[in-house]
Amino acid sequence: GQQLNQSPQSMFIQEGEDVSMNCTSSSIFNTWLWYKQDPGEGPVLLIALYKAGELTSNGRLTAQFGITRKDSFLNISASIPSDVGIYFCAGQIYGGSQGNLIFGKGTKLSVKP
Amino acid sequence: NAGVTQTPKFRILKIGQSMTLQCTQDMNHNYMYWYRQDPGMGLKLIYYSVGAGITDKGEVPNGYNVSRSTTEDFPLRLELAAPSQTSVYFCASRSSRDKGPTVYGYTFGSGTRLTVV
Repeated sequence: GQQLNQSPQSMFIQEGEDVSMNCTSSSIFNTWLWYKQDPGEGPVLLIALYKAGELTSNGRLTAQFGITRKDSFLNISASIPSDVGIYFCAGQIYGGSQGNLIFGKGTKLSVKP
Repeated sequence: NAGVTQTPKFRILKIGQSMTLQCTQDMNHNYMYWYRQDPGMGLKLIYYSVGAGITDKGEVPNGYNVSRSTTEDFPLRLELAAPSQTSVYFCASRSSRDKGPTVYGYTFGSGTRLTVV
């Protein structure tokens, strides 16, 4: 089945630094989504991308849908302690597998205060 | 505005016991999902449902059963608990009103942490 390769697996950063993570796939996706999971909670949708090349921002977060439709990245600018958590990418192939999302394994973000 | 509600939040089971993880949503979503999350392994799909009376297996269905008698509820049943089922379980739902390439993101519950000893 389809797989998403998400990297890095984990990262420690200093408060105020910018963060970048990405997802790649061997399959073409119609939709890319980015979720954040706070400790002890379920994932929450951050950003949804629907067109190749699309660049979308949500506060300090910016995500892009790759031109090839096989990748996406998420940037967090000026990180703060509450950015700690696990970030998941997810992709959807329209009409495939009932439209179910395929999730990456997550990037665990830890911030040094 | 409850969204997706999962109960219980925590549970310890002995090997061989059975239990049902409850999931209910109040958004009138047709699609519902059960995932398990193990450390460093992301989210693995156990079962999903596209509407009342319709269920299908995901990536890791062995040892689990589901039913969908109503739009709101999607319980997950463990019949003979095994240590390998120690995990955090998430229920999610989404609208089926995706038109063309647009899809509405999943809404997740807050999870059930299950330990089998």
